[in-house]
Amino acid sequence: DSGVTQTPKHLITATGQRVTLRCSPRSGDLSVYWYQQSLDQGLQFLIQYYNGEERAKGNILERFSAQQFPDLHSELNLSSLELGDSALYFCASTKGGNSYEQYFGPGTRLTVT
Amino acid sequence: ILNVEQSPQSLHVQEGDSTNFTCSFPSSNFYALHWYRWETAKSPEALFVMTLNGDEKKKGRISATLNTKEGYSYLYIKGSQPEDSATYLCALYSGNYQLIWGAGTKLIIKP
Repeated sequence: DSGVTQTPKHLITATGQRVTLRCSPRSGDLSVYWYQQSLDQGLQFLIQYYNGEERAKGNILERFSAQQFPDLHSELNLSSLELGDSALYFCASTKGGNSYEQYFGPGTRLTVT
Repeated sequence: ILNVEQSPQSLHVQEGDSTNFTCSFPSSNFYALHWYRWETAKSPEALFVMTLNGDEKKKGRISATLNTKEGYSYLYIKGSQPEDSATYLCALYSGNYQLIWGAGTKLIIKP
């Protein structure tokens, strides 16, 4: 158990809908990262927050947004969902920046039908 | 655009044999190199974070070396066991607040 929690574990929704994925980092970790893993693809970095502020952006679509709250939990919002958004979404946390190992949550499996 | 390459893409190894694979990266602006193990149906798990040229780290039967001048890291597994079957990912931190991930080496241990 990495200490990172993600909810929900599974999510099934229809095209055009909007969903919110939630992540709680390990106690004491200030950085949260979001990743997408589509079928047979590697990890795609989406976005990083550090202590409530956006730090880095990867290949995140404009339909997706995220935020990190004062209690350091983070939410990833996915809107106008398309079939291609079906994927496993991971959250990871570190105590600081990218010289520290990342601890990954169990992931949220999103299925868009 | 920075690129991190891992080779081979996949590897079949007999149980008990030792093996190694490579992570190659641009040697400029090096800050850190990460290794992760990703078992099927699980989350990636950190193995090592290496920051100094010549670094060598070990965790049980798994070890890694780092050459920042020539831009590569090797991951070694001694006496492979079925539980070592996983995808091994490396990721480069070269500043700019992002990790650049390799595509991974998929290791399959044959009993």
